[in-house]
Order: sequence, then C-alpha cells, then structure tokens
Amino acid sequence: GQNIDQPTEMTATEGAIVQINCTYQTSGFNGLFWYQQHAGEAPTFLSYNVLDGLEEKGRFSSFLSRSKGYSYLLLKELQMKDSASYLCAPMDSNYQLIWGAGTKLIIKP
Amino acid sequence: GAVVSQHPSWVICKSGTSVKIECRSLDFQATTMFWYRQFPKQSLMLMATSNEGSKATYEQGVEKDKFLINHASLTLSTLTVTSAHPEDSSFYICGWRVGAEIEKLFFGSGTQLSVL
Repeated sequence: GQNIDQPTEMTATEGAIVQINCTYQTSGFNGLFWYQQHAGEAPTFLSYNVLDGLEEKGRFSSFLSRSKGYSYLLLKELQMKDSASYLCAPMDSNYQLIWGAGTKLIIKP
Repeated sequence: GAVVSQHPSWVICKSGTSVKIECRSLDFQATTMFWYRQFPKQSLMLMATSNEGSKATYEQGVEKDKFLINHASLTLSTLTVTSAHPEDSSFYICGWRVGAEIEKLFFGSGTQLSVL
C-alpha cells in the first residue's frame, strides 16, 4: 500500500531552525512535493525534489533520499507566519499525489 | 500568474439540497484538474480527476452520481454535491495541472461546506 509518515505536530521558536521529516512508501515514484497549508486555506507549493540531495530555496530547503524513502523540509530563521501545516506529498507512478495528514508547526515567540 | 478562483469559499446548506462549487483558472488554461476533499486534521483526499471535454475519473469510494463534475472548458470546472448530508461537510479544493509540467499544480482557495 501507499503510506506517508510525518509527525503530527511540532513546536519551534521564532528565529530558530526546524526540520520536518517525512517517510513514504508509494507504488512507483515521480518526485516529492512539500506544500504549506494555513488553516482554512488551500495548500501552496513550497518545493519539488525528484533527485537525491538538498534543494535550497531561500529560508526553506528540502532533502530527498529515494533509496530510503525519506525526505525532510528544513525551515530557517523561523517567523510567526510560518505557523502552518506542512504536507509531504510524493507522486506515484501514475503521477498522482499521495497526501500525508501534514505536520502542524507551531511557532512561539 | 497562476491564479485559481474557487467559490463559494464558505457555504451552509440544509440536508437534502445540492451545492455547486465553481473552480476557474483566471490567467492560464489547463486540460487536467482535480477535486480534493479534506476533513479536519486529515490529509487531502483525491475525489476525481477530470480532463476538459471528458468524463471525470472518480476514486474508489467516491459516488459519481453524488458528486457531479462538469469540466466544460480549459478554464472552468464545477463540482456539484447533490442531496448533501451532514457527512459531506468538508473542505473541498480544486487543483489544476498545467500541461505536462508536474510541478505546476495550482490550487483553488477551497470551499468549506457545512451541511446541517
């Protein structure tokens, strides 16, 4: 079956760094997406990894290890507006996104 | 660019009535779009995939006669929840895929449906 595993909730301090881990099992693999979703809103695209390694994009970086079925999203210099849910979504062999329940990130001052 | 308009953003209806949700791409055209449903604190669940001019492909467990999808053009798709019941209360989100570029999946702002 297809499965996504990421922590339900994490708490971090403003200005700090946080890493949100995601492990996955899918039928085939065509890359992995990270989305940010604020409460009551639709997800917004953060990153897409299809090859192993680290992709850096401003304060956000995403890492992928295909052999381990593992990815993480790294958020630096945390701001209060980063409080949101972060969704890990690998794409299977049919190019369908498989959605996890997301990690709710709480930023404290 | 890549603006998707979805409305209504919030709707309350009585049990047994039908609700239509509209999803429109404002500055791009796309052939493939998706309808998702999300219950509180749960993941997005794909309901159906539709291509312009074709019948939608529904996921297992999603009743096609209950959730009517009309994808009449490259910029407009509608989801009608027929004979809504309280268990249909959920957050519904549309998403458009632009061409073959799999990164380019754009979401609407979502519709919160509450059925009394």
